[in-house]
Amino acid sequence: DVQMTQSPSSLSASVGDRITITCRASQGIGNHLTWYQQKPGKAPRLLIFGASTLESEVPTRFGGSGFGTDFTLIINSLEPEDFATYYCLQSYSMPFTFGPGTTVDIK
Amino acid sequence: QVQLHESGPGLVKPSETLSLTCTVSGDSISGSNYYWAWTRQSPEKGLEWIGSFHYRGSTVYNPSLKSRVTISVDASKNQFSLRMTSVTVADTAVYYCARERTSGHWLDAWGQGALVTVSS
Repeated sequence: DVQMTQSPSSLSASVGDRITITCRASQGIGNHLTWYQQKPGKAPRLLIFGASTLESEVPTRFGGSGFGTDFTLIINSLEPEDFATYYCLQSYSMPFTFGPGTTVDIK
Repeated sequence: QVQLHESGPGLVKPSETLSLTCTVSGDSISGSNYYWAWTRQSPEKGLEWIGSFHYRGSTVYNPSLKSRVTISVDASKNQFSLRMTSVTVADTAVYYCARERTSGHWLDAWGQGALVTVSS
């Protein structure tokens, strides 16, 4: 199985900050990397697919990049509604596998 | 806009069978653009992909669960179901059904989730 790691596991930030979350795959996955946002008690919400393509209606302050094994989610100018947990998913190789998550909380 | 909704018992006894149904509205599960998937989430294991099917006949499972899991479909009701046998406390989780893009296999729409607790 492709193992996915994320760093950091958690971070504290303030409204208006720019943050970066990293996702790393144990082997190359091309651009088959998806980012999700999850809030407590809710299902994950699709943010970015294909490593860098923003899902419709997702604010442009969210951005993704990377290819192969290393990927990055950037949130420019955090808004109050962005405090949540973020997960990556690789869909290059079955079984598809998720990262352990990065929790973004308010400093 | 597609909507998915999981339903089924919230409590299952150890060694018994977990059964959940996903009802889809706003899209047809017999279409060609999507697979239809089950995932689950627990504090211990995080998010885990269970398996998915395409109406044209392809069904794939996570090898770690394959011996216990069956995904079936009732196209007349636009529903698909998950059956997991011989459950243990480790199968306690929130179970989600989701729509999976055929090209790229990302999950682009999720149900609200159903908590299933395995306990005697």
